[in-house]
Amino acid sequence: AQSVAQPEDQVNVAEGNPLTVKCTYSVSGNPYLFWYVQYPNRGLQFLLKYITGDNLVKGSYGFEAEFNKSQTSFHLKKPSALVSDSALYFCAVWGVRGSTLGRLYFGRGTQLTVWP
Amino acid sequence: KAGVTQTPRYLIKTRGQQVTLSCSPISGHRSVSWYQQTPGQGLQFLFEYFSETQRNKGNFPGRFSGRQFSNSRSEMNVSTLELGDSALYLCASSPYGTDGYTFGSGTRLTVV
Repeated sequence: AQSVAQPEDQVNVAEGNPLTVKCTYSVSGNPYLFWYVQYPNRGLQFLLKYITGDNLVKGSYGFEAEFNKSQTSFHLKKPSALVSDSALYFCAVWGVRGSTLGRLYFGRGTQLTVWP
Repeated sequence: KAGVTQTPRYLIKTRGQQVTLSCSPISGHRSVSWYQQTPGQGLQFLFEYFSETQRNKGNFPGRFSGRQFSNSRSEMNVSTLELGDSALYLCASSPYGTDGYTFGSGTRLTVV
């Protein structure tokens, strides 16, 4: 079965401080992992993905994510948060075989608030 | 290049009616997926089409249906609308459905 968990509904951080949004996954086989961001009344914007290769993945807007196979985690990070980063963040795992093919399994989302 | 285009952006329908939502994928993308987003259930997969064939379907009642045309454009239809169908419906496209999706801005459906 494919699933992801985002253990925090809300993350608050001061502008300029580092931020982390947590994600753990459960998959059959190798994981294909994604992070998306959603601003109010908008669709999902792609931030980054891990398919294979380096465990540290760099994405859009200065975000990066660290893939940790032993801990089955894929946490999203940014060294210095901006107020404009405030949004809803979704972690997702992609089905790559059988009945899961072509389907994204999303976490519940984490609301990030960056204080000025 | 143009992104994924969904029309209309907003829609208000009455319970019992039916509705059709449209999605134009990125040019060259052959896979189109649909998701329903609600505050209570989060993001839920509806179905995925590739080259006019439905490859995968989520756990939704038969009132929810879709199709894909030869130009990869896709429509989804919801018949006999219920209040619980009020949601943001998101369409996403991918070249082959094997390397991630680009999402549209969604259609906000309100059933009254």
